[in-house]
Amino acid sequence: AQSVTQPDIHITVSEGASLELRCNYSYGATPYLFWYVQSPGQGLQLLLKYFSGDTLVQGIKGFEAEFKRSQSSFNLRKPSVHWSDAAEYFCAVTGGSYIPTFGRGTSLIVHP
Amino acid sequence: EAQVTQNPRYLITVTGKKLTVTCSQNMNHEYMSWYRQDPGLGLRQIYYSMNVEVTDKGDVPEGYKVSRKEKRNFPLILESPSPNQTSLYFCASSVPGQANNEQFFGPGTRLTVL
Repeated sequence: AQSVTQPDIHITVSEGASLELRCNYSYGATPYLFWYVQSPGQGLQLLLKYFSGDTLVQGIKGFEAEFKRSQSSFNLRKPSVHWSDAAEYFCAVTGGSYIPTFGRGTSLIVHP
Repeated sequence: EAQVTQNPRYLITVTGKKLTVTCSQNMNHEYMSWYRQDPGLGLRQIYYSMNVEVTDKGDVPEGYKVSRKEKRNFPLILESPSPNQTSLYFCASSVPGQANNEQFFGPGTRLTVL
């Protein structure tokens, strides 16, 4: 069975600072990994995904994530956070089926 | 515009009064699913459907029903709602057959059961 852990419930950063949100997965084979963002009052929107090839994946809104098989991780990064990045972020994994498993989410708070 | 729509967006009801939350997608997706989102628990899948007339339980199906009579619609039915079903509900759809397919989410329905 597949699973996802997002160790941080809340992350607080100052505007302009760098950001890293952690995601660890469990799956026996090569996983398919996703990051979604949920802005206040909105549904979830795909930021980026990894399924093969280059382990550093670029997404929308200046985000990137790096797949590290040895650490079973897929951490999300952004070099400079904007106030509009304040949102809930979800990591997800899909294995042999196409039914995703989501992490519990990390709430990002951005201080001016 | 490609989208998933849900209605209503907000609903306050009382215990035991049957309700239906509709979900519709215009992308001809075969796969559709329902999630509930609760603080600290993330997204939990209620039911999913691989295609018309094919539905299956997710992680938290108790107290819910679904139907898939048409490809575009996937309503969520609460026959006798209870306060523990107060939550934020999301419908999602995707193209099946490939695990790297993204999920397209509706805007959510906030349900309060008194």
